[in-house]
Amino acid sequence: EAQVTQNPRYLITVTGKKLTVTCSQNMNHEYMSWYRQDPGLGLRQIYYSMNVEVTDKGDVPEGYKVSRKEKRNFPLILESPSPNQTSLYFCASSRGRGDNYGYTFGSGTRLTVV
Amino acid sequence: GENVEQHPSTLSVQEGDSAVIKCTYSDSASNYFPWYKQELGKGPQLIIDIRSNVGEKKDQRIAVTLNKTAKHFSLHITETQPEDSAVYFCAASIPSYDKVIFGPGTSLSVIP
Repeated sequence: EAQVTQNPRYLITVTGKKLTVTCSQNMNHEYMSWYRQDPGLGLRQIYYSMNVEVTDKGDVPEGYKVSRKEKRNFPLILESPSPNQTSLYFCASSRGRGDNYGYTFGSGTRLTVV
Repeated sequence: GENVEQHPSTLSVQEGDSAVIKCTYSDSASNYFPWYKQELGKGPQLIIDIRSNVGEKKDQRIAVTLNKTAKHFSLHITETQPEDSAVYFCAASIPSYDKVIFGPGTSLSVIP
């Protein structure tokens, strides 16, 4: 089944403790992206990647890092999480340019930073 | 920059009635307009999309129309069913940035 897999689904952590949210897609998609979803603010892009070793900032990149060492994986790293990063996170992939093809989203990761 | 507005923010309809969600965009260079449905506890799912060279597209009970001159596009759901209840997001492309911008979402409730 074609899908984007995120782990974990739920995560509670403490301020300052580094964490990684994994994302993997099995569709050989070139484009991958991370979004955060907050009430009243909709979906906001954090980082995106056009291909292996090519990443770029989205609209809200502060406090986040990403890497794209393999085509299928696009982990999101929070080096020093803070409470304002409590949110619902989605990974997405697309078979072409991010502005020209639909996205397949993962099921989401609900992160709570206390 | 590109801005996408979406109305209404909430919509309740009786089962069997039609539902219409409207979006406007600001960047005249936008040329791709997808719509996503997000059910509770799940990620958004692409349900239909339209490109700027087409004025209307239909897929069973769902249709999307695009008015490039007015910079607005709409989602039409006919013969609504309870399983259509979800949050719907429109989006518009930003070609120079390889991305889309999402609208704030519409929460649709279909009352049996």
